Amino acid sequence: TQLLEQSPQFLSIQEGENLTVYCNSSSVFSSLQWYRQEPGEGPVLLVTVVTGGEVKKLKRLTFQFGDARKDSSLHITAAQTGDTGLYLCAGVGYSTLTFGKGTMLLVSP
Amino acid sequence: GAVVSQHPSRVICKSGTSVKIECRSLDFQATTMFWYRQFPKKSLMLMATSNEGSKATYEQGVEKDKFLINHASLTLSTLTVTSAHPEDSSFYICSARAYGEQFFGPGTRLTVL
Repeated sequence: TQLLEQSPQFLSIQEGENLTVYCNSSSVFSSLQWYRQEPGEGPVLLVTVVTGGEVKKLKRLTFQFGDARKDSSLHITAAQTGDTGLYLCAGVGYSTLTFGKGTMLLVSP
Repeated sequence: GAVVSQHPSRVICKSGTSVKIECRSLDFQATTMFWYRQFPKKSLMLMATSNEGSKATYEQGVEKDKFLINHASLTLSTLTVTSAHPEDSSFYICSARAYGEQFFGPGTRLTVL
């Protein structure tokens, strides 16, 4: 069974602070995705990382895929209240996604 | 991007009744759809893979007679929670694969009294 561990599980910060969320797997995935989910809604895809060592930037969000393709990180610079939500990493398998347990981020003004 | 809708968005029912949740792909055809369950502030757990024209594939521990899945067309999959109990209360999310990625519906909040 492929497992994805995310840390921290919960993060409460002030607007303007930086933060990093980690996603670690016991297995290698062909690619890894990060989603953001707001309360009462479905997850929305933020990024897909495919190549070991890959770094992708999406405005204030920076995503890294580990060289061994077993771990990934999401770094947010100068967090805003609109960044509040549940961040999920997901390993892409042959036909399904395996989700991590998620990191609940709360950004206060 | 592709759009996936769910109906209803929220449903409250009495214990013992059955509830049907619809998942539609609005602007694309989906031979495969996925049903997830999510508890408060927790991750998504895959329940089953819905295949158009054939039986659904259930994950280990998910009762197929309890959670009936029907994928009658390329744009519609339904999940019926039969004889619902309070422990079935949860957020149910469907997704469909298109253009190489999965798109998620907005979810259905089920509350069983």
